[in-house]
Parts: sequence; C-alpha cells; structure tokens
Amino acid sequence: SQQGEEDPQALSIQEGENATMNCSYKTSINNLQWYRQNSGRGLVHLILIRSNEREKHSGRLRVTLDTSKKSSSLLITASRAADTASYFCAREMDSSYKLIFGSGTRLLVRP
Amino acid sequence: DAGITQSPRHKVTETGTPVTLRCHQTENHRYMYWYRQDPGHGLRLIHYSYGVKDTDKGEVSDGYSVSRSKTEDFLLTLESATSSQTSVYFCAISERSEYGYTFGSGTRLTVV
Repeated sequence: SQQGEEDPQALSIQEGENATMNCSYKTSINNLQWYRQNSGRGLVHLILIRSNEREKHSGRLRVTLDTSKKSSSLLITASRAADTASYFCAREMDSSYKLIFGSGTRLLVRP
Repeated sequence: DAGITQSPRHKVTETGTPVTLRCHQTENHRYMYWYRQDPGHGLRLIHYSYGVKDTDKGEVSDGYSVSRSKTEDFLLTLESATSSQTSVYFCAISERSEYGYTFGSGTRLTVV
C-alpha cells in the first residue's frame, strides 16, 4: 500500500496540554499536508510543508518534516476542546498532483 | 464548504443499480478528485481529473467511472452498485497552492 502509518491511532489529552501526532511514509514526496476532520464533516486543510522545508508554523500548529527518516509530526500546542477531531497526513508523491492519505489520528481533548 | 458542493448528501440504493454522484465547484480549479472513506482505511483515491475530459485512475478505481465535461462538474458513477461500495464519498478540488485541497461535505452511500 502507498499509505503510510500514523500514530497514535487515538489520543486523549486534557485541555491545555500539547498534542503530537506522527506520520511516516515509504516513498519520496513533493510535499506533505495535514488535514482535520470533525465528525461527519469534510476535511479541512491545515498546513503544507514542502520536501525542502524542515519546520513550519501556523498559529498553534507546528509541523516538522524529516525526509531522511520519511516522517513528519504535527504538534498542537495549548489544546482546546474544539481541537477534538481526526487528523490526517497526506503525501503528494510525484507530479501527478494526487494526495495519498494516512488512516488518521483521533484526538479527544477533555475539558 | 464554500465553492464546492456534493449531491446527493445521502443515498440508499439497491445492489446492481447504477448510481451517479455529482461534485460541483464554483472556484474554477483545474484539479478535481473523488475519494472514499471507510473505517480503518482513511481516504482512498478513486479517480481524479486534471482538466476537462482529462481523468485518471486512483488506487481503488475498479467498479467506478468518472466524467468531466466542463470545469465545474465532476461525476462519479457506480455502474452496478455492490455492498462493498457502501461508503462515504468525498470530492475535493485543488489549484496546486499552499492552500491544499478543498473538500466537499461528502455523500453517504448505502448499498443494500
């Protein structure tokens, strides 16, 4: 399968804590993207990091990319109950403009 | 989501019947995609389009066909629905930017 691995599959934390999700993949990429999905809704794009970038920030989100280890992580700082959702990484692997998604991490932020 | 709509939102159909799902965009984006989402599998790409009349297969294209006769519409057809095609189907659009894909709200399809 071209899908990589995301871990953990599920994560439960207290409001105010940081949440870290990891994504590993098997082939070289053009870029890696993170999406959020609230229950019963479509996915929402959070952040994109290109293969020549190592770290990127957007508000409370921090994404890192290690192409030598073929892995990425998403850090959500000072989590809120509203961050409760599923989070997916997606890899654009070549110039065909296709995104391949992982199976996601379910995040529960307890108030 | 703004600029992309899927129809219908829900559909129940019988095994063996043809089904067409519609994705409509008002963003004039070049790229359009159909994914299915099943528990434990994340999203899997069915077909995608990189322009009018230009389409290609994704990783789970068997049993599905698509058409794109104009920029704004991308149709997904199940020629003869099977129970294994019960799923939530998402359409997405892209213009290859830092903004990634924009997803529709999904179509929940049940094949009985």
